[in-house]
Amino acid sequence: GAVVSQHPSWVICKSGTSVKIECRSLDFQATTMFWYRQFPKQSLMLMATSNEGSKATYEQGVEKDKFLINHASLTLSTLTVTSAHPEDSSFYICSETGLGNNEQFFGPGTRLTVL
Amino acid sequence: GQQVMQIPQYQHVQEGEDFTTYCNSSTTLSNIQWYKQRPGGHPVFLIQLVKSGEVKKQKRLTFQFGEAKKNSSLHITATQTTDVGTYFCAGPSHTDKLIFGTGTRLQVFP
Repeated sequence: GAVVSQHPSWVICKSGTSVKIECRSLDFQATTMFWYRQFPKQSLMLMATSNEGSKATYEQGVEKDKFLINHASLTLSTLTVTSAHPEDSSFYICSETGLGNNEQFFGPGTRLTVL
Repeated sequence: GQQVMQIPQYQHVQEGEDFTTYCNSSTTLSNIQWYKQRPGGHPVFLIQLVKSGEVKKQKRLTFQFGEAKKNSSLHITATQTTDVGTYFCAGPSHTDKLIFGTGTRLQVFP
């Protein structure tokens, strides 16, 4: 399966600042990557689909101006949480499908805490 | 919209006991996937079922896809402490995006 890394693994920031999370595909050129958010003890919610070389597709209810996604290369997608607030504190995970049969390979996740 | 529900939400078992989680979709699914997420970790793919009534086994884990392709189950025989985690089913939406179930958190006491 595909190998996906994320950086940073955790971040603490002050309210109002912006945080960038990187998602890298280490062994596969991913034209599409996915960004999920997971609140404590809850399921994964798809935020957006990141498309290499074009605009991301956001799910209903996700503010595209707040969660900026850039997929400039086949191995890197970034998610920037702009003007973060405490309610944005969550576990952010990216994934890709690799060459498999739809199964998704997840990065280790980034735990964001906004004070 | 499409919903994927799982029951139970939590399950605590003694090591050696069996465990089952049930997954129900509001719509018919072309396939169902199962993932395991250890505490503090990320989801890891376990298996995909495609055919109506399909049953697959992985050692102590048995996965089943319902005849109507709207429900699925995961059964663990003789649980071990290494089985601790949250088990999610997931199915594709009509736009082929993966919709995750609500999850079942398993705790195993030694």
